[in-house]
Parts: sequence; C-alpha cells; structure tokens
Amino acid sequence: ETGVTQTPRHLVMGMTNKKSLKCEQHLGHNAMYWYKQSAKKPLELMFVYSLEERVENNSVPSRFSPECPNSSHLFLHLHTLQPEDSALYLCASSQDSAAQQFFGPGTRLTVL
Amino acid sequence: EDQVTQSPEALRLQEGESSSLNCSYTVSGLRGLFWYRQDPGKGPEFLFTLYSAGEEKEKERLKATLTKKESFLHITAPKPEDSATYLCAVLGGTSYGKLTFGQGTILTVHP
Repeated sequence: ETGVTQTPRHLVMGMTNKKSLKCEQHLGHNAMYWYKQSAKKPLELMFVYSLEERVENNSVPSRFSPECPNSSHLFLHLHTLQPEDSALYLCASSQDSAAQQFFGPGTRLTVL
Repeated sequence: EDQVTQSPEALRLQEGESSSLNCSYTVSGLRGLFWYRQDPGKGPEFLFTLYSAGEEKEKERLKATLTKKESFLHITAPKPEDSATYLCAVLGGTSYGKLTFGQGTILTVHP
C-alpha cells in the first residue's frame, strides 16, 4: 500500500448505528487530518492530530469522535448521526503543519 | 478569519483553448497557498504550493502564480483529461495545519 488509504470506501448507516472510519498513511508523516466534503460546500477541516496528539478540533459535534493510536493510523468513530452528516469524509496527512497535505480516496457516508 | 473565493464556479473549454482559474484570498500571515485537483469520487490530488508573491510553479500544461491577494492557475492547450475540479486552499499563521479551502472550479474540456 502506498500513500493514504481509507476504509471502507462506502458506508450506509442508520441514525442509531455505531460505525468507525479508518485511515492509514504510509508516508512517514507526523500529522493527520479529518475533513468533511458536502455537496456545494468547501472542504471543512474537522480534526488535526500531530504526533498522535489532537491539536485542532474545529467545533465538531460530539457524535464524531476521533482516535489516533499512532502516527500512521487515524479513526473516526461515528454514533447517532443525522442525515445531514451524509458526505464524503477525507483523511489527509502531512510531514508537518506547513507542508502540503496528501489525501486519501475518502469514505462516502450515507445516513438514513 | 481566513477566506478563499474561487472563480469561475464552472468553466467549459474546447481542447486547446487556454484559460485561467482565479483564487482570491484573505489570510492572516500566509504560510502557503495550495492547488489541488479532484476527480469525481476521489480525494484531492496535490498540484502546487506557493509561498510568496511573485512565485510561479509549472507542471505539464499547468502554471500557478501568486500575488498578495490572489493566485491564478493557467491551463495551456488543455486536453479532455484535464477535466476535474480544481481546489485552492490557504494556510494561515494562526493555527496548526488548518487549510481553508475555496469551493473549487469545475473544469470541463471538450474534445
């Protein structure tokens, strides 16, 4: 595997389900990010982790819970989501805070 | 608060017809301006980073330029495979790694 990978690529869940999105980066980077991309809206930063420590939480509802067990892996735990949470969730990584970010392919989430 | 506005929202070109995409920005302490390309159903693909006014970067048919208020992505003699959404983002000096993105320009190149 190379670059940034995300699983699953597609996810359909009910409002009462609990699911997790997984991201893995194979680039040796120190920072990882979660973004949300909704139709007709710019990419929105959700969370930033640097060396496994959360350094930014962009006012995201508590039904989204990130976890970074090590510098290569990032999870986004989802529970009691709303239909308006349906979107493409993108993971990214970068060498440091000022370097270009490399994105994974995304998880297309649909909340019924 | 950092802001990015891209224009036009959509651009349709004939193959070989050169044009430019615009990215206007306001940011507190620019640490970098980034251009990405995004194909449908995929994550953004990094193209360029520009750090200071006057800087230019080139890659194949694409050339990015930067002033103190805006950036241009010039596309020379485009081909149908250049069709994609082009995203501009800025990194300001106030927080760690927080990119602010524009809404993107959807480019369609017809053969």
